[in-house]
Amino acid sequence: EAQVTQNPRYLITVTGKKLTVTCSQNMNHEYMSWYRQDPGLGLRQIYYSMNVEVTDKGDVPEGYKVSRKEKRNFPLILESPSPNQTSLYFCASSPSGGFGQFFGPGTRLTVL
Amino acid sequence: AQSVTQPDIHITVSEGASLELRCNYSYGATPYLFWYVQSPGQGLQLLLKYFSGDTLVQGIKGFEAEFKRSQSSFNLRKPSVHWSDAAEYFCAVVPYNNNDMRFGAGTRLTVKP
Repeated sequence: EAQVTQNPRYLITVTGKKLTVTCSQNMNHEYMSWYRQDPGLGLRQIYYSMNVEVTDKGDVPEGYKVSRKEKRNFPLILESPSPNQTSLYFCASSPSGGFGQFFGPGTRLTVL
Repeated sequence: AQSVTQPDIHITVSEGASLELRCNYSYGATPYLFWYVQSPGQGLQLLLKYFSGDTLVQGIKGFEAEFKRSQSSFNLRKPSVHWSDAAEYFCAVVPYNNNDMRFGAGTRLTVKP
């Protein structure tokens, strides 16, 4: 089954404790991206990747890091999480560019 | 400023009634246009997209959207709403010559029995 998977689905952590949210797609898509969803703000792009070893900032990259060492994986790293990063995070992928992306199920992150 | 606007935060319709969700965009060139649906606790699912050509686009689940260049709009419609359509709907654009997808703030749809 074609899908985008994220782990964990739910995470509660404390300020400053480094964490990684994994994202994996099995569709051989070149383009992957991360979004955060906050009430009243819709989805805002954090980072995106056009292909392996090619990443770029989206609208709200501060406090986040990403890497794209393999085509299928695009982890989101929070080196020192803060409470304002409490949000619902979505990973997405598409064959090329931000067109008609497939979305993962989301990761709900709470930073205390 | 470039933006995607969904003017209605929350809409309530009766089951069986027609539905129109509004989306307006502000970009120099016509962007690529999308509608997504997010059911409670779920990820986003693509309903339909417009790149060019026929301005009336058919999507999944009985939805359609009409692109109107003169109004910079891409409104989503459904002739008869079902209770299972209750969800949040997002309009999104990919600007021309760009790879970033930008989302509107979303419209929450409630369906009354």
